Amino acid sequence: EVQLVESGGGLVQPGGSLRLSCAASGFTFSDHWMHWARQAPGRGLEWVATIKTDGSEKYYVDSVKGRFTISRDNAKNSLYLQMNSLSAEDTALYYCVRSILAASSHWGQGTLVTVSS
Amino acid sequence: QSVLTQPPSASGTPGQRVTISCSGSSSTFGSKTVHWYQQLPGTAPKLLIYNNDQRPSGVPDRFSGSKSGTSASLAISGLQSEDEADYYCVTWDDSLSAVVFGGGTKLTVL
Repeated sequence: EVQLVESGGGLVQPGGSLRLSCAASGFTFSDHWMHWARQAPGRGLEWVATIKTDGSEKYYVDSVKGRFTISRDNAKNSLYLQMNSLSAEDTALYYCVRSILAASSHWGQGTLVTVSS
Repeated sequence: QSVLTQPPSASGTPGQRVTISCSGSSSTFGSKTVHWYQQLPGTAPKLLIYNNDQRPSGVPDRFSGSKSGTSASLAISGLQSEDEADYYCVTWDDSLSAVVFGGGTKLTVL
């Protein structure tokens, strides 16, 4: 069974940092492009970042460029999102996603990030 | 404002057929395929349609997708109460080098 389990969310002050993790199981992690997406309370889905199978290509939504870094460790079947200089606009449920644009798409249940003083 | 435009809401009665549109630009859609997600209340999104008109296994054939030029549509026939959810179109935008979601359409079953 495919599983994506996010962790690392929580309450952080504006300007602070968090590192999200996603533990993958039930499939060959290194075969899939991976993504982070988010959903602010009561709002729609927003793509955040994408990383290629071997980590050689990374893409970000404009609003997080220079602040967020996506990475992966294929040996540990894990995906990460380092988030710096957080602001209230980053408050959202963050989803780890396998293959967001393919038939093999699968989403985790999300981890909540709240940026507030 | 999203690069892909969806109506914010749609509604229908049980048994009806409803369609949800998703419009973009040539740089957004171009030769790219569009995908559709269903998000039931309080749950993670689930892939409903991929590559314009393909259904993943387990998705009922009441759901269908199409794409023509710079617009796409999701059709739901034989509407059921459990179809009440938010629906999102998504694609890759070459000009932005980004995944782009539509703003989402909230479907209400009356």
